Amino acid sequence: AQSVTQLDSHVSVSEGTPVLLRCNYSSSYSPSLFWYVQHPNKGLQLLLKYTSAATLVKGINGFEAEFKKSETSFHLTKPSAHMSDAAEYFCVVRRDNAGNMLTFGGGTRLMVKP
Amino acid sequence: ETGVTQTPRHLVMGMTNKKSLKCEQHLGHNAMYWYKQSAKKPLELMFVYNFKEQTENNSVPSRFSPECPNSSHLFLHLHTLQPEDSALYLCASSQVRDTSTDTQYFGPGTRLTVL
Repeated sequence: AQSVTQLDSHVSVSEGTPVLLRCNYSSSYSPSLFWYVQHPNKGLQLLLKYTSAATLVKGINGFEAEFKKSETSFHLTKPSAHMSDAAEYFCVVRRDNAGNMLTFGGGTRLMVKP
Repeated sequence: ETGVTQTPRHLVMGMTNKKSLKCEQHLGHNAMYWYKQSAKKPLELMFVYNFKEQTENNSVPSRFSPECPNSSHLFLHLHTLQPEDSALYLCASSQVRDTSTDTQYFGPGTRLTVL
């Protein structure tokens, strides 16, 4: 079975400082992992995805994530936060042997202070 | 956001009403999904349609009835809902290829309030 744990429900950073959103997963197979972002009153937008190619994945808006199998982690980072990054972020794993079925983490709300 | 559209964006209904949510995807995908997003709970998959056939019903109560007349349109018919059904209902679509993973594209959601 697979699951996703987002270790922080809320993260607050100052504008211009680094962002780290933590995600741990469990999966019986080599996983496919995603990060989605949801701005207020909007749907979910894909930031990036890992599908067993390069372990460091670059996404949109300067975000990137590193797949670490030994730590079963897929943390999301950005060197410098912008006010527009304030949103909710979801770490997602594809269900084992189910190509189009996803399991979502509980979400991390990112707040960016001026 | 224009790839997957949902109407209405907001809906208030009484417990005895019947209403429908509509989703349309303009991406040429072959799979569509309904999700429920409640406060303080992870996103929950409700239904999956692959090539217009329902392939997943995640133990959803019968007061929610999906319909997928073609690969571009998906409906969620609602009747005799409960206040705890109040949530954001998200539609998504994807192109499913064999065993490879695919990216799901989400609509903006319908904010449903049941009084």
